Amino acid sequence: NAGVTQTPKFQVLKTGQSMTLQCAQDMNHEYMSWYRQDPGMGLRLIHYSVGAGITDQGEVPNGYNVSRSTTEDFPLRLLSAAPSQTSVYFCASRAPSYGYTFGSGTRLTVV
Amino acid sequence: AQKVTQAQTEISVVEKEDVTLDCVYETRDTTYYLFWYKQPPSGELVFLIRRNSFDEQNEISGRYSWNFQKSTSSFNFTITASQVVDSAVYFCGWGNTPLVFGKGTRLSVIA
Repeated sequence: NAGVTQTPKFQVLKTGQSMTLQCAQDMNHEYMSWYRQDPGMGLRLIHYSVGAGITDQGEVPNGYNVSRSTTEDFPLRLLSAAPSQTSVYFCASRAPSYGYTFGSGTRLTVV
Repeated sequence: AQKVTQAQTEISVVEKEDVTLDCVYETRDTTYYLFWYKQPPSGELVFLIRRNSFDEQNEISGRYSWNFQKSTSSFNFTITASQVVDSAVYFCGWGNTPLVFGKGTRLSVIA
């Protein structure tokens, strides 16, 4: 049982490049979310999903896309990276009667 | 819109002091959950507690205790006899799916 696995752990992108942050969980959780963490801003919700095929926007969705084709995977796509997207990204999943379990994070730098 | 406020940005205490971290939330919902997470210097997010809106009983877990008061929309977290290992950023969260966080309180415990 690996929990929530995020890859990569570190990434440097050039402005305008696209990439996908991977998130996978092996706990059969229906609920998954993506957050970004910036200094002084706490954890802000980007997108979330309540099950396969169902996604919705959070507080800061612009510049990001998500899809949920399986229960296990919830990838986050940066369409055209911008320096403002430099951040630490966390993926999380939740069981119905428990709190969210977070991945270890992806530190992204856009230059 | 739901909102979580952690008014204390940073707190510094001397080891063995008690410390309370404040959390105030705004919601019109009658059913909701409240959470606390810990983020130590290593960066991972550690689940501490989940409380539902119908359960106002205080909870104690070792040196940690939580005081939930619906009348004041507060869910405060107290660490008794603080230790250096308690140094971390603590996040209060509201909701279920999705989960919305406050901006966090950085606690420094000095030996």
